[in-house]
Parts: sequence; structure tokens; C-alpha cells
Amino acid sequence: AQKITQTQPGMFVQEKEAVTLDCTYDTSDPSYGLFWYKQPSSGEMIFLIYQGSYDQQNATEGRYSLNFQKARKSANLVISASQLGDSAMYFCAMREGRFDGGTSYGKLTFGQGTILTVHP
Amino acid sequence: DTGVSQDPRHKITKRGQNVTFRCDPISEHNRLYWYRQTLGQGPEFLTYFQNEAQLEKSRLLSDRFSAERPKGSFSTLEIQRTEQGDSAMYLCASSQAIKGTSVTYEQYFGPGTRLTVT
Repeated sequence: AQKITQTQPGMFVQEKEAVTLDCTYDTSDPSYGLFWYKQPSSGEMIFLIYQGSYDQQNATEGRYSLNFQKARKSANLVISASQLGDSAMYFCAMREGRFDGGTSYGKLTFGQGTILTVHP
Repeated sequence: DTGVSQDPRHKITKRGQNVTFRCDPISEHNRLYWYRQTLGQGPEFLTYFQNEAQLEKSRLLSDRFSAERPKGSFSTLEIQRTEQGDSAMYLCASSQAIKGTSVTYEQYFGPGTRLTVT
């Protein structure tokens, strides 16, 4: 079963408008973290935002916010006031917290990504 | 530039040849990860190091793949007897983890090494 599901292969948005990119996840681990990364055509993965499973409030970073609905196991990324430079591939990823000698595992499991195109 | 660096950025090799990639993490980061990304897919975890110790390897990492981080600083990923299916982007990432806690900071990725096996 997919651990991270991004159901939108592509999304289009008008410049200056807001857009929501969907992400659902599957885990039985009570301790986990959710991440969003941006990958422009240059290929580098750029960290955008992080939400911990125990965080009470939704994470925000500038124009990025994460709509975290724990019961629904969703962690949607909201980009406000879209800019042309936001056009890129966006990946949702999950880190499951398991412990070995007091140190958590850190590997990320990624979704298949959503291509966002911002129109002028 | 204090980010993660990878070398080379591009590598074209013939099937059956060996290749080696290098990753230099952010200097204060104790964790280093290798991922592989094929076209149109998200990155897939290969292996990771805590300092010099290799703590986990994915089943994707066949016997032809080996990774090292000899002094807990830079890491190398070697692929022996390359196959066309090895063609992909190989991404390295680093992070800082705090022992004894669940805190794992975000991973910072390098620009990747794009491997093409002909």
C-alpha cells in the first residue's frame, strides 16, 4: 500500500491566487513527521515546510501553510499568492519515528509528486 | 556555499562499468542519506549514515551498490557493473538528528548526480 499519496498529477493556478496541493498518508506509527519539498526543473529538492504528528497547530512558513487533518491522515500544502517562480514539482514526504538506541530513524518516504504550473 | 554538494553532476557510462559518486554534506550534520529518483517519480530511499555508521539499507540497494562514509564527513556511493536500469538521479541529503529525542530536522538535499547508462 502507498504510504504517501498525491492524487493530483498536475495543477494549474493563476498568478496571485492560492492553490492547495493534496497529500494523504498511511502509518500506524504515532510519531511521524510530514514534509513538503519543491523540485524545480533544475532538479534540486528544496525544503518548504514540516509538520510533526504531535504539533497542535498547523505549520506555516511565509506563503506556505500545511493543512494538517490528523484524523483524515491528510497534510495538504497551501500556497498563497502564487508566483511564477512557484512553478515546479512538489513532493509530500513522511518520516516515521522509530527508535533504536534513542535515535530516531530519519528516512523519508515520498509521494509521486504534483506538477504545479502558475499562469501569468 | 555551505549546502550539500555532489560530484559529478552528470555521469554517462557504458553498461558494465563501475561508477562512484561523492556527496559532501553540510558540515555540522551527522546524518547523511542517499536516494534514487527516476523520471516522474518521487525519490526512493537507498541508505543512510549516522556519522560513519551505515544504519539502514533499502532492499533497493542490491549487492552491486555500496556506500561508505569513512570519517563521518563525505560519503561515496559506488555502483558496480552498471545496468541500464540504474539510470536515474542519485540524490544525497543531510540532516542533524538529536540523540535521545524524536527530533529529526529537515533533510537538505544536494543537486544530485544524474547517471545515464548506455
